[in-house]
Amino acid sequence: AQTVTQSQPEMSVQEAETVTLSCTYDTSENNYYLFWYKQPPSRQMILVIRQEAYKQQNATENRFSVNFQKAAKSFSLKISDSQLGDTAMYFCAFMKQNAGGTSYGKLTFGQGTILTVHP
Amino acid sequence: NAGVMQNPRHLVRRRGQEARLRCSPMKGHSHVYWYRQLPEEGLKFMVYLQKENIIDESGMPKERFSAEFPKEGPSILRIQQVVRGDSAAYFCASSPPNSQTTGELFFGEGSRLTVL
Repeated sequence: AQTVTQSQPEMSVQEAETVTLSCTYDTSENNYYLFWYKQPPSRQMILVIRQEAYKQQNATENRFSVNFQKAAKSFSLKISDSQLGDTAMYFCAFMKQNAGGTSYGKLTFGQGTILTVHP
Repeated sequence: NAGVMQNPRHLVRRRGQEARLRCSPMKGHSHVYWYRQLPEEGLKFMVYLQKENIIDESGMPKERFSAEFPKEGPSILRIQQVVRGDSAAYFCASSPPNSQTTGELFFGEGSRLTVL
């Protein structure tokens, strides 16, 4: 079984600054996906960024980037130029990749980190 | 293309009643997943369904909970004889048949169940 740990229950950052959210995971699998999801007060789950474990290059999506350390089983999210709209709960999640490259949507989520962006 | 639609958004039930939550996946999606989020916690996988088949129900409680995804119509998560501990947000997600190499899920806005 997989576990995902987010050790920071709450974080805060000033608008326009950079913040990093931590995530570690434990698995015996070699092939998997990692995700960061954002859950604003509306409670909608929004995919922020996705990383495939076999790719060494860290994923980036505009102001969002990850630092993926496979050996250390670490997957942190960096948000640059923070905006007020980034205020939300952020969840790190793991998904196993089956043989042949297939997978299905059985995600294991961390406990979440509440991020507050201050003006 | 409408997103994943869940209803009702809010449902209040008294202990012992039944709760039915519905989920219509995105157009073209044939895979549906249900997750439960207890207060102050992350989402927990409950069940994965394809049309008329339960693929993985390893996260479903053994009693009182059932799910279906019929050939026609939405997926239904049914909770019989609800108890206060069932109070939670229930999220549905869907994915298309060819998404198995991307892993991306599309989530609905959730149904919040309150048991009095």
